[in-house]
Amino acid sequence: QLQLQESGPGLVKPSETLSLTCTVSGGSISSSSYYWGWIRQPPGKGLEWIGSIYYSGSTYYNPSLKSRVTISVDTSKNQFSLKLSSVTAADTAVYYCATERAARFDYWGQGTLVTVSS
Amino acid sequence: QSALTQPASVSGSPGQSITISCTGTSSDVGSYNLVSWYQQHPGKAPKLMIYEGSKRPSGVSNRFSGSKSGNTASLTISGLQAEDEADYYCCSYAGSSTRVFGGGTKLTVL
Repeated sequence: QLQLQESGPGLVKPSETLSLTCTVSGGSISSSSYYWGWIRQPPGKGLEWIGSIYYSGSTYYNPSLKSRVTISVDTSKNQFSLKLSSVTAADTAVYYCATERAARFDYWGQGTLVTVSS
Repeated sequence: QSALTQPASVSGSPGQSITISCTGTSSDVGSYNLVSWYQQHPGKAPKLMIYEGSKRPSGVSNRFSGSKSGNTASLTISGLQAEDEADYYCCSYAGSSTRVFGGGTKLTVL
């Protein structure tokens, strides 16, 4: 069974770039069966899809975040990554990575809280 | 791309059935049979409960069922149990390779 684990700084300063990595175990990120996605959840609020990537590198982003988001994949490390630039307090959230098939998110990481504060 | 609309809260007594609605538009819920539902307990990651509108992943109780009519998808939980108390989110493919979540519904088991 696939397992996903997010990692990265828990505190980011305003205007800087948030960087997170999701490490996949129990399967290959090069599998043609899955897309790999990022979802976030501000404290006390709902879920927001950030974007998804296929192992080939094809990416799909939430239009509201597209100008600030980059998702990449490193097949040699079985990892995929999220970069969100020019962050503000509104980007404070729990960030989840997840597997995706046909717009459904099957397996989720435990999530990591990223706080944007000086 | 606007969030799908869900009621903020629903409640029911043990053994009863409840239904949570998820209203979108003809550009998302109405156009694709790609609605999924997630259960989230406090402090935990969401768990997939329904996909492609009405299919249950292996291991999910058959007390959970999904349906769709027009631009509105629904999640029904029958035989409510205390452990069903959680937040529930819908998600739909929204065209142009995008996905959109609902605002979430808090289910209280009385």
